[in-house]
Amino acid sequence: GAVVSQHPSWVICKSGTSVKIECRSLDFQATTMFWYRQFPKQSLMLMATSNEGSKATYEQGVEKDKFLINHASLTLSTLTVTSAHPEDSSFYICSAFSGRTHNEQFFGPGTRLTVL
Amino acid sequence: AQTVTQSQPEMSVQEAETVTLSCTYDTSESDYYLFWYKQPPSRQMILVIRQEAYKQQNATENRFSVNFQKAAKSFSLKISDSQLGDAAMYFCAYRSPSGTASKLTFGTGTRLQVTL
Repeated sequence: GAVVSQHPSWVICKSGTSVKIECRSLDFQATTMFWYRQFPKQSLMLMATSNEGSKATYEQGVEKDKFLINHASLTLSTLTVTSAHPEDSSFYICSAFSGRTHNEQFFGPGTRLTVL
Repeated sequence: AQTVTQSQPEMSVQEAETVTLSCTYDTSESDYYLFWYKQPPSRQMILVIRQEAYKQQNATENRFSVNFQKAAKSFSLKISDSQLGDAAMYFCAYRSPSGTASKLTFGTGTRLQVTL
């Protein structure tokens, strides 16, 4: 299968700072990338869908101004958690999709964010 | 909106035995995809098996097979000859046909324990 990377794998930051998480499709071009949030022992909750070159579509209840998503190229999407607070601490997972080549989502390994 | 239900929060199976994980879903669409994903302690999401709704034949992948009952909207996963490495969270997921609605809807997950 195709490979999706995330960076960093874990990050600890102080409350009030911003954190950027990168998601890259390494060996294919992703027309769509998805960002999920997963709390301990819970399922994946879709936060937003981003298509290359256009604005992200956020799920209901997800704050657009707090979770900024940029999908500048077919291989890179970024999630920036702005003015992070302890309640933003979570496991963030991205996935990449290319209907032309694979017709399935490939998941990154996730990023654990801890906000102190 | 589609919903996916996994009614078994935890299951246990002895090594070399067979276990079945349940999944039901609700949709008004006639064409869609169903998936089982495995999430081991590393938290990397791994695709186990996929079923296209238009296919009557149940998908199989080595020791993993599904029982897809379209009319009943049921999609169970059978793991044969269970191995210690099968211990993980298993998520059932639904996806509309390719296009703008290609996002996945996940169930709440089933934690599978494999005992000696």
